[in-house]
Formats: sequence, structure tokens, C-alpha cells
Amino acid sequence: DQQVKQNSPSLSVQEGRISILNCDYTNSMFDYFLWYKKYPAEGPTFLISISSIKDKNEDGRFTVFLNKSAKHLSLHIVPSQPGDSAVYFCAAPDSGYALNFGKGTSLLVTP
Amino acid sequence: DVKVTQSSRYLVKRTGEKVFLECVQDMDHENMFWYRQDPGLGLRLIYFSYDVKMKEKGDIPEGYSVSREKKERFSLILESASTNQTSMYLCAVGAAAGGLRGTGELFFGEGSRLTVL
Repeated sequence: DQQVKQNSPSLSVQEGRISILNCDYTNSMFDYFLWYKKYPAEGPTFLISISSIKDKNEDGRFTVFLNKSAKHLSLHIVPSQPGDSAVYFCAAPDSGYALNFGKGTSLLVTP
Repeated sequence: DVKVTQSSRYLVKRTGEKVFLECVQDMDHENMFWYRQDPGLGLRLIYFSYDVKMKEKGDIPEGYSVSREKKERFSLILESASTNQTSMYLCAVGAAAGGLRGTGELFFGEGSRLTVL
């Protein structure tokens, strides 16, 4: 059963507006979350992370918010740019060594 | 950053063929992973290794095996390729952190697009 869920397969946003990508998780033991970005025919690249001791982490145009009580996190991109068009994966480490990934959300930023 | 090199970007194989996908890292990281990415299914873990000659099954190991004879090299083997193994295969590398917990980021290779006819 998938422990990290991204329920929106796709999102379209106009350039300059805010993009909000959502992620839910079921395992309350998760204490660290990461977002990866993936362009077609390339490997995913790390974007931003957040520890469960925080509720917000910001890096330039990217901010991740964590709501532990709701087991929900979101990635905000402000302002969105066409180059942000990619698939975004939410992930959390499991009890071993690997990352659990969501199914991804495909973001399209239109000019 | 870690450089992760996958041996082939694109491969076309026939059903029943044996397929080798190789991954090499340029750092001394302990953990290496093989994922596959399929539309609508995200990234799914096939196998991982936390040390030389050590391997652990991921979520979808059926039809695959792995080999890690040297720390920098992790191979994925399809003993008898089938059409449902047509996919994008991604190798990832990460440093062990916090003991058994891998809380650090993973570095991915560019992927190997395998088509099985």
C-alpha cells in the first residue's frame, strides 16, 4: 500500500502565478520529507526537503509546508516559470535505506 | 554532488533475452538503489544495496536480480526480459546517515530506457 500519495496527476498554472503541489502520507513515523523534480529523459534531482521538527522550509522560489497533524505537505512555487514544467515527486525515507516516492504530479507552466 | 553514470541510455531487447544495466558512482557512498519509473505509478524500488555483496529486495523485485561486487558499481539484471519490464530504470546513490536511517537525499543517474519487444 502506498505510504506517500500525490493525488493530483497533473497541474497547469500560468507563468508568474503560484503553483501548489500536494502530498499526503500515511506513516506517522516519517520524520523527513523530500521533493524531487524530474524532466523527461533525465533522472530526478533533489529540490527541497523538510524535517518534521519544522513546519516550513524555504529556498528561493520554493517553499515546502508540513502539517503533521494532517499528515500533509505541500510545495509552493512562486512565481512559477515555464522552466518549472516537470514532474514533481514527494518522498519520505522508510525504516531502511530507501525513499518511498509518490506517483508524481506533472506541472505545466504556460506563458 | 555525486556523479551517477548508467551504462546505457536506451536499449531495445527481445523477450527472453538477458539484460544487464550497470550503474557506477564516483563517490564512496554506501547505499545504491534501482528504481523503475512508469507513467501513473511513480518511482518503485526494485532492489537496493547498503554494502558490497549486500542486497535487499525492494517493492517489486520479481523478475530482477542485482550484483554489487565493488562499492562503486551496482548492476541490475533481467534474467529473461519480458514486455512488462519495458520501463525507465533509474539508479540512485545515497550516503548512509543516522545509522540505519537514510535521511539524506539520493542522487540519480540519467536513467536507462528499456524497451522489450
